[in-house]
This record gives sequence, C-alpha cells and structure tokens, in this order.
Amino acid sequence: QKEVEQDPGPLSVPEGAIVSLNCTYSNSAFQYFMWYRQYSRKGPELLMYTYSSGNKEDGRFTAQVDKSSKYISLFIRDSQPSDSATYLCAILNRDDKIIFGKGTRLHILP
Amino acid sequence: ETGVTQTPRHLVMGMTNKKSLKCEQHLGHNAMYWYKQSAKKPLELMFVYNFKEQTENNSVPSRFSPECPNSSHLFLHLHTLQPEDSALYLCASRNRLNTEAFFGQGTRLTVV
Repeated sequence: QKEVEQDPGPLSVPEGAIVSLNCTYSNSAFQYFMWYRQYSRKGPELLMYTYSSGNKEDGRFTAQVDKSSKYISLFIRDSQPSDSATYLCAILNRDDKIIFGKGTRLHILP
Repeated sequence: ETGVTQTPRHLVMGMTNKKSLKCEQHLGHNAMYWYKQSAKKPLELMFVYNFKEQTENNSVPSRFSPECPNSSHLFLHLHTLQPEDSALYLCASRNRLNTEAFFGQGTRLTVV
C-alpha cells in the first residue's frame, strides 16, 4: 500500500462551487500534513499545513484531518477560475521525509 | 517567491554531458531536498540533507550526485543521463523545527 493515495482526477466544477479534495494515508503514526497548489510549469506552493485532527481555515480554504480514518481533505469555497491547478497532499514522516500524493488536477469552469 | 531559487530553469543536455543544477535559499532553513517530478507520477524524493549531512538517498542511480557545501546551497550533479531522466527537478527547504517546506520553481531537464 502506498503511503499517500490521491485521486489524480481531473476534477471539473463550475465557478462558485465548493471543491472537496481528498487523500488517504497508510501509517497512523503520521502527524504532519500539508496541501500544496501547483500551477503548470511552476513549483508547488504551500497552501496549508496542520498537525492535528479537526479543521484549519485560511480564507476560502479549509484543511481537515481525520486521524481515525487516516483521511485528509482540502475544501475550497467560492471556487474561482484562478484556483485551477494541481493540488498535492503531503505528509511529513518521522524520518523527515515529505511524501506526496499524485496530485489532483482541478478545473474551475467559468 | 518562496525564497528558494533554482538555476537554471531549463536545461537540455546530451547523454554524454555533465551538468549541475543549483538550489539556493537564504531562509535560515537547515533541511534541503531534491525531488523529481515526472508526468503522471507523484513527486519522487531523491535526496535529503539535514544540517549539510545527507540523511537519505532514495535508491537514486549514481548518475545523480548531490552536494551540499553549506546549509544555503544544494547542487545536483548530472552525468551520463538517460532520456527517461527528463523531468522537472525540484528543490525544497524547511526548518526542521517546523513542518512546512518551500519549493523552488524547478529545473525542467530534457535529456536528448
């Protein structure tokens, strides 16, 4: 089983919709979780990070961690065409390795 | 700008060439990473350096050789590469006391 699983999409939603992006992970010892956004031909840009179960909100973005299910989510409210990008979930393991999911390609349709 | 700078942004090299990729950060970070990003594959961790010491070599072929002369600079030396090594090579850095890592814009490498 891969350490981090993420559906690559693509995911297409209309402008203004709520977007839900998800990942699962295999090791219950993982404690630190991150979401990155990557535009075409650019490096990944850190959006949010969290290390506890529950929700963390930053503007239109909410990161959610459910450690009992080993499930992490990123919600985007009032989605905009500029949100179209690839979204990568990542975990930091105890060996200081940052392990990424495959990334989900998101298209926001005007 | 994340504060992590990679050069060159684009590189085309032949299979017999030797080239180097450079990564630089002045964020005071003490851990630096090399990743390879190929189409339709997850980011692949190649090397990890903590306090200038290599702590991870993720089964990377010896034609890739990292160097970390100080905590602000990281190099990836390339020689006798194969066409399948063509990819986006990304550098990241972080402070080991914190979770978040910051990436450079990457070097788009094409091996011909």
